[in-house]
Amino acid sequence: GDSVTQMEGPVTLSEEAFLTINCTYTATGYPSLFWYVQYPGEGLQLLLKATKADDKGSNKGFEATYRKETTSFHLEKGSVQVSDSAVYFCALSSGAGSYQLTFGKGTKLSVIP
Amino acid sequence: NAGVTQTPKFRVLKTGQSMTLLCAQDMNHEYMYWYRQDPGMGLRLIHYSVGEGTTAKGEVPDGYNVSRLKKQNFLLGLESAAPSQTSVYFCASIPKYRGSGEAFFGQGTRLTVV
Repeated sequence: GDSVTQMEGPVTLSEEAFLTINCTYTATGYPSLFWYVQYPGEGLQLLLKATKADDKGSNKGFEATYRKETTSFHLEKGSVQVSDSAVYFCALSSGAGSYQLTFGKGTKLSVIP
Repeated sequence: NAGVTQTPKFRVLKTGQSMTLLCAQDMNHEYMYWYRQDPGMGLRLIHYSVGEGTTAKGEVPDGYNVSRLKKQNFLLGLESAAPSQTSVYFCASIPKYRGSGEAFFGQGTRLTVV
């Protein structure tokens, strides 16, 4: 079945540091890939997505590129801010009529001033 | 625009009690899902629905039942709550023809079973 593996945290960075959160996946066919973000006490929000190989998703300074050859979708940001402190989830959807999302376990990011 | 609304936001149950969690969406989405979130486990799919009157089991369906009598509502029931069902529950919806499967989530229901 489908699965997502992401680096486990917690990750603590200083403000303006570079962020990478690794994500690899196993899926049949050609899944869509997502990064969701969960701020404290809130539900998940879509951060960015990519629907086919070599697509780059980007939003709020975050980027991730769909790499089919390495089955990866790593999240990056060049300069993190305190407001980026949250839990980040990598996810995939293989479609197949129900669009079920399969999530990684989440990575908690804390950014300190 | 409300999006996806979950009721209640918090609840404490005693072991053996029953309750129903309500999820309502006003975006006319076809697909709806119930997930539970536990520390270190990510989100796991409990049940889902691809349309009014249809439901299907997800990864962890035991101890839960669901119903989708109206397109906009998806109910999650616990008939006899157990401490292992202490969790944060999230509802999500997806439109059928968006193409990519982007999900819209509710704010969550924090359930404690004592």
